[in-house]
Amino acid sequence: QVQLVQSGAEVKKPGASVIISCKSSGYSFTSYVITWVRQAPGQGLEWVGWSSPYNGDTDYAQEVQGRVTMTTDTSTSTAYMELRTLTSDDTAVYYCARRTSTDYAFDIWGQGTMVTVTS
Amino acid sequence: SYELTQPPSVSVSPGQTASFSCSGDKLGDKYVCWYQQKPGQSPVLVIYQDTKRPSGIPERFSGSNSGNTASLTISGTQAMDEADYYCQAWDTSTVVFGGGTKLTVL
Repeated sequence: QVQLVQSGAEVKKPGASVIISCKSSGYSFTSYVITWVRQAPGQGLEWVGWSSPYNGDTDYAQEVQGRVTMTTDTSTSTAYMELRTLTSDDTAVYYCARRTSTDYAFDIWGQGTMVTVTS
Repeated sequence: SYELTQPPSVSVSPGQTASFSCSGDKLGDKYVCWYQQKPGQSPVLVIYQDTKRPSGIPERFSGSNSGNTASLTISGTQAMDEADYYCQAWDTSTVVFGGGTKLTVL
């Protein structure tokens, strides 16, 4: 069964960092790019960035550029997203999703990880 | 930066056709995907490459894309289709989502 399983909810103070994991199973991890998308409470979907398990390439949204690092560990088929210098604006559900190699669509999504930034 | 615009809400009666629009500059030159998201759940891909349905998505979901507007249509809308719908496209190597449209099935 193809799936992405994310780490659990996090509560952080402003200025802290958070690392979210996304473990894949049921498919060849290096064949698909992992994209990260977030959704603030009551808001729409916002792209955060993507990382390639095949060659390590990444691309990040301007809104988080300089504060985010996305990595992949092919030995455990796990993708990671680290977001630093957190503010209340980073409070959101963070999703990882698999991007299809030919269609560039996001066909498999993780269950989401709630990150709450509060003092 | 590239933007996709969606109306905030659409309402239909059961059995009727629900239509969603997504507008962007020369959007017809890009491939568009559509995602369905029910409350408390992760998004689900319902249309990709403008018109294609993933396995398991009912035939009542269809899409089109031309000019500056992409469209998602649900024929014979059912109560289970009540959800938020997001369009998405690629702008070079970055991903753009529309603001989403909430479908209410009256």
